[in-house]
Amino acid sequence: AQTVTQSQPEMSVQEAETVTLSCTYDTSESNYYLFWYKQPPSRQMILVIRQEAYKQQNATENRFSVNFQKAAKSFSLKISDSQLGDTAMYFCAFMKHFNPIILTGGGNKLTFGTGTQLKVEL
Amino acid sequence: NAGVTQTPKFRVLKTGQSMTLLCAQDMNHEYMYWYRQDPGMGLRLIHYSVGEGTTAKGEVPDGYNVSRLKKQNFLLGLESAAPSQTSVYFCASTLSLTGELFFGEGSRLTVL
Repeated sequence: AQTVTQSQPEMSVQEAETVTLSCTYDTSESNYYLFWYKQPPSRQMILVIRQEAYKQQNATENRFSVNFQKAAKSFSLKISDSQLGDTAMYFCAFMKHFNPIILTGGGNKLTFGTGTQLKVEL
Repeated sequence: NAGVTQTPKFRVLKTGQSMTLLCAQDMNHEYMYWYRQDPGMGLRLIHYSVGEGTTAKGEVPDGYNVSRLKKQNFLLGLESAAPSQTSVYFCASTLSLTGELFFGEGSRLTVL
C-alpha cells in the first residue's frame, strides 16, 4: 500500500514571499502520478498541480512549482509571490498507474496526505 | 455547468438511523469515488466505482454501502449510523485514468 506523508501540519508566510510545502511518499511502483490539491475555507477541493513520475522535468503552473525527487520519493510544492487567496489546506496525493486492460491499480484511486494548513499573512 | 453535486450538504442523524448521500455528475465520467475527511487524517477512500453497475471497497469501507445503478449517480448509504461516522464526505469523479479528480462541495454529517 502507498503512503503519503506531510510532516508540516501548519505553516505561515508573509504576502509576496515564497513558501515550500513538503511531501514524501512510499511506494514500490515505478509508474505513478503525484498531485497537490488546495482546499480553501469554502471546502472545495481544487487541483493545483500534477506530476507524472516518468517525466524528469518538474511541473509548473504560474506561481506554483514542484521539486520532484523520484529517488528520494519527495514531492514538495513551492508557492512564489504568496497571495492572501493562497490561504488554504494543501494536500499531497499519490495515484499509481491504472491499467484498464488487466485492471491493475485499483481504478484510479488517490491516496492523500494529512494536509498542511497554510496561512498567508499581511 | 454543475460538475459534481452532492446532496444533502448538511445532515444531523441520531445513532442507529440510516441515510443516503447522493452524488451526481454531469460530465459523463466513468470513475466515481466517495472519500471522508477527518481532522488530521486527510481524505480516506470509502468506496469507488469504475463504471455503471460496478463498485469496490476502498480504505475504510466498513459501515457504508454504495450503488452505481446509473452512470451519473453514485450513492453512499449508512444503514445504522454511528458517532464515528461523523465526518465531511466528498464525492469525486474523473474521466481520464491520469487526469484530475473533480470534487463535489462536501457533505457534513453529524451523528449524535
